[in-house]
This record gives sequence, structure tokens and C-alpha cells, in this order.
Amino acid sequence: KAGVTQTPRYLIKTRGQQVTLSCSPISGHRSVSWYQQTPGQGLQFLFEYFSETQRNKGNFPGRFSGRQFSNSRSEMNVSTLELGDSALYLCASSGGQGFSEAFFGQGTRLTVV
Amino acid sequence: GENVEQHPSTLSVQEGDSAVIKCTYSDSASNYFPWYKQELGKRPQLIIDIRSNVGEKKDQRIAVTLNKTAKHFSLHITETQPEDSAVYFCPLGGNQAGTALIFGKGTTLSVSS
Repeated sequence: KAGVTQTPRYLIKTRGQQVTLSCSPISGHRSVSWYQQTPGQGLQFLFEYFSETQRNKGNFPGRFSGRQFSNSRSEMNVSTLELGDSALYLCASSGGQGFSEAFFGQGTRLTVV
Repeated sequence: GENVEQHPSTLSVQEGDSAVIKCTYSDSASNYFPWYKQELGKRPQLIIDIRSNVGEKKDQRIAVTLNKTAKHFSLHITETQPEDSAVYFCPLGGNQAGTALIFGKGTTLSVSS
């Protein structure tokens, strides 16, 4: 069974640009969440999608957005990039029905210059 | 909103010693208490979890105890080994199934041989 796959693994962008990250969950999983990990702030929850609907949202500005497709794959978009957006972005998936393990992808390392 | 605090933030032990990490939370509606381990450069992985109707759970060298009245739960690692060195997180899973986890700052455990 394939794990959670995130693409790309590494990304370098310039301030002001926008970026789209992709997450393919484990087959059959309907819940996908996104997290930002930085040395200073730790792991912070961005948002969760379940069956193409945003179900939960963290405390991030509107520049951070996401969506989920009918096949449960999810994308995250960051517009007008700032230097402080440099981070490891992780996504996680689970079945979403009943408490169960959230499986994390390997992450996308975004560097904003 | 939900909040979780971990103590200590760093913990150094000798191989073979025991390690205990404690988490306190504020949301009494939380029903699911997982523990994640993140080794350097790797993704977070679930090591053990407990539901609110269970007071203790054990899996080989690791155990988790839950005190819902006092709103704290703890991770116990016995006979620590160098490969236990990692950052440990006790995110809150809330009262809704899925991947929306609220993480604290984590505890960095170092096991020296």
C-alpha cells in the first residue's frame, strides 16, 4: 500500500510569487490535513479537508488556501510568498471515520528568497 | 480553543533509563490522545494512542497514561535506546475523527549510550 506522497520535495521561490503543493493520500483515505513546520513555531495546523470540503481551519492568513479533489488528492496554495513562509509543509491522511492514525507524507521543503 | 503543553521541552537520559513526557490540555471535549515521534529529517509517525475511555495502554517499552479529570496524559518509555532519540509530540485529536491535530512544541529526547 503506497504511503502519502507529496510533490515536489523541494521548492525555491521568490518573494511575491505563489506556489502550489500537492498531496496524494493513502488509497481510501478521505481526510487530508496540511501542516507547516518551522524550527521556531513547531508543527502548526493549516487546514483539513474531508470529502472535498474544508472541515477545519487553523490560524493562518488568507494567503494560504487549499482544496481537495474527488479522488481525495489535495493541493495547497500560498500566494504572495513572504520570507517567513519558508518551512517544511507536511500533509497527513486518515480514513476520517473514527479516530485512527494520521499518516504523514515526507513533506515539501519550501524556501522563499 | 484547544491548547496542549508539553513538559519537559528537552530531556536527556542515559541508555537504559526511563523517560517520561507529560502533556496537559485545555479542551475537555478531547477524546483522542496520540503520540507521534519525529526523528531528525523524517516525517512524524504514530507510536501509540489512547482513547478517552481508557486509562492506560502499553506497547512493549512504551506506555501512555491518561487522567481526564486532571486533563493530562503522559508517555513512558522504559529501557531507552539511542534509537529512541527524536522529537515527541502529543497533539490533540479533539472530538472529531480525522487528521486535524493541534500540536504542541514537542519534547526533544536524547538518549546517550
